[in-house]
Amino acid sequence: NAGVTQTPKFQVLKTGQSMTLQCAQDMNHNSMYWYRQDPGMGLRLIYYSASEGTTDKGEVPNGYNVSRLNKREFSLRLESAAPSQTSVYFCASSELGEFFGPGTRLTVL
Amino acid sequence: GENVEQHPSTLSVQEGDSAVIKCTYSDSASNYFPWYKQELGKRPQLIIDIRSNVGEKKDQRIAVTLNKTAKHFSLHITETQPEDSAVYFCAASTGGTSYGKLTFGQGTILTVHP
Repeated sequence: NAGVTQTPKFQVLKTGQSMTLQCAQDMNHNSMYWYRQDPGMGLRLIYYSASEGTTDKGEVPNGYNVSRLNKREFSLRLESAAPSQTSVYFCASSELGEFFGPGTRLTVL
Repeated sequence: GENVEQHPSTLSVQEGDSAVIKCTYSDSASNYFPWYKQELGKRPQLIIDIRSNVGEKKDQRIAVTLNKTAKHFSLHITETQPEDSAVYFCAASTGGTSYGKLTFGQGTILTVHP
């Protein structure tokens, strides 16, 4: 039972490049979430998925897209990365979002 | 939308002292209030939570209190130890029992000096 896993752990992109952050959970949770964490700003919700096949915007969705591939997997895509998207990204799952993945540290140059 | 304010931003205590972190929320519909501990470079981990139908909850050295009328809730850590040093986040959710969208406070850096 791995809980919530994320890949990659670290990534450096150039402005304008695209990438997908992967998240998977093996706890059979319906709900999954993507947060970003910036210094002094806590965690902010980007997108969430209340159940397989549904996604919805959170507080800071601009510049991101998501896909709920199946019940286990929820991916976050940056189509054209910007320096303002430099952050640590956390995926979470459970009915109330309390289980977090290990995070992806993304730097956009 | 919901807004959560957390104070203080930094807190320094001596080992054995108590620590209190306070949060206020804006949306009276919020009904779930978790607290997370995050060590440097690690993921946030849920340490205690409280629902709106309860005023206080304890788990060993940590406790959370909720005042729905005033819309604030607090984390209390007694007999602090150096390993309690971390960043603590409060959060609030207006989600129902099936899912929740958490709004986080800005975090409190707690340092416990031996």
